[in-house]
Amino acid sequence: KQEVTQIPAALSVPEGENLVLNCSFTDSAIYNLQWFRQDPGKGLTSLLLIQSSQREQTSGRLNASLDKSSGRSTLYIAASQPGDSATYLCAVPREKLVFGKGTKLTVNP
Amino acid sequence: SQTIHQWPATLVQPVGSPLSLECTVEGTSNPNLYWYRQAAGRGLQLLFYSVGIGQISSEVPQNLSASRPQDRQFILSSKKLLLSDSGFYLCAWSVNREYGYTFGSGTRLTVV
Repeated sequence: KQEVTQIPAALSVPEGENLVLNCSFTDSAIYNLQWFRQDPGKGLTSLLLIQSSQREQTSGRLNASLDKSSGRSTLYIAASQPGDSATYLCAVPREKLVFGKGTKLTVNP
Repeated sequence: SQTIHQWPATLVQPVGSPLSLECTVEGTSNPNLYWYRQAAGRGLQLLFYSVGIGQISSEVPQNLSASRPQDRQFILSSKKLLLSDSGFYLCAWSVNREYGYTFGSGTRLTVV
């Protein structure tokens, strides 16, 4: 059974700081890993999708890495801004999409 | 481009009343469709998924049902709402699990 864990559960940083969000999964036989952002009361916005054959994906200030052998993915956010404040979720597909519980990020001005 | 529409955005319903939430996808054919629920302070729970018209799989026994009357339309229903049905309902679609998932904007349901 695939289980996804995200650490930390919450993170508060000052504006401008570079930060790393962690995601780990128990079964390394994954098709891909997807990172989402959820603003309060809103739906999920897909940030990055990393295929199992890839090591990393980049979009603007976001960089996601994937290490299947160790069952880990990280989401790196450069030069954080208050607008980055949200809950970040990682998920891997099995018969259904398995989510971590998320990291709630607060970036303080 | 593909888009997903979900409505209504918010809904307040009395206990015992019926429910119908609708989700439609544009710009693709034969998508896999999903209904998730997110209760306050809890994770995302898959409720139903569909791989084709009339094909519905239920993940959790509950007071809800789902239907797929058209290729790109997915409906979540209840005949009689319970207080425990309150939550944030999200619709999602995928081509297949290799291409990632796209979520709608969600419906906040409050049963009073």
